[in-house]
Amino acid sequence: QSALTQPRSVSGSPGQSVTISCTGTSSDIGGYDYVSWYQHRPGQAPKVMIHDVNKRPSGVPDRFSGSKSGSTASLTISGLQAEDEADYYCCSYAGDHIRFVFGPGTTVTVL
Amino acid sequence: QVQLQESGPGLVKPSESLSLTCTVSGGPITSNNYYWVWIRQPPGKGLEWIAFIHYSGSTYYNPSLESRVAISVDTSKSQFFLNLSSVTAADTALYFCARHNWDGDYFDSWGQGTLVTVAS
Repeated sequence: QSALTQPRSVSGSPGQSVTISCTGTSSDIGGYDYVSWYQHRPGQAPKVMIHDVNKRPSGVPDRFSGSKSGSTASLTISGLQAEDEADYYCCSYAGDHIRFVFGPGTTVTVL
Repeated sequence: QVQLQESGPGLVKPSESLSLTCTVSGGPITSNNYYWVWIRQPPGKGLEWIAFIHYSGSTYYNPSLESRVAISVDTSKSQFFLNLSSVTAADTALYFCARHNWDGDYFDSWGQGTLVTVAS
C-alpha cells in the first residue's frame, strides 16, 4: 500500500493534455514543497521530470509541468507525444523520520 | 553526466542475505551535495526507499526495514553497497540505486535496476 494515491492509468491522443494527480496528507505533500515526479520506461533508468513541485531539470521538455494545491500534487503533460508513454511516479518528502513516500505509479498511454 | 549501475545475484534463498553493489561513474561519489540511495519496487507495487548514505558515512534507514538493512560506501572504488538480511519472498523486487540531491530533495540520477528474486 503506497502512502500517496495516484490513478492507475491515464490516456490521451497525441497533442492532447493529460494530468496525473497525486494525493497525500498534511504530513507529506501538504506539509512540504518537495514533490518530485519520475518517468520510468521498462528496462530503463527512471528519470526525474519535476522537482520542488514545479521545477523542471534541464533537458526535460517544457510540456511537462507540476503544481500543488493543499495535499494534492499534479503533473500535466501538454501536447502529448508517443514518447511520453511510460509509468509516472510521484514522490514527496515526509519529514525527518519517514523521509520520502512514493505513489504507486500511473501508466500514461498515448492512443 | 553521472551514471549508476547495480550488480549482484538475481536469486537469493529465503532467510539468506541479499547483497548488491552500485558503481558510480561520470562524477565523484565524494560530493557534499548528494546522498546515495537504494530504492526498490516489488512486482506490481510502488517504489520504496531502503537506505541513504553520504560519502562521509552518514546514513538513514527506512524505519520499516532498519533492523535488516546495512548500507556502506567505498569511495576508493566509487561504489556503495546494500545488505539486506533474513530475506523472504516479500523482498523480491527490482532494486535501484540512485543519487539524492539535497538542493531540492529529489533523486536526480538512477540506475536501470536489478531484479532480485527470493526463492528456494
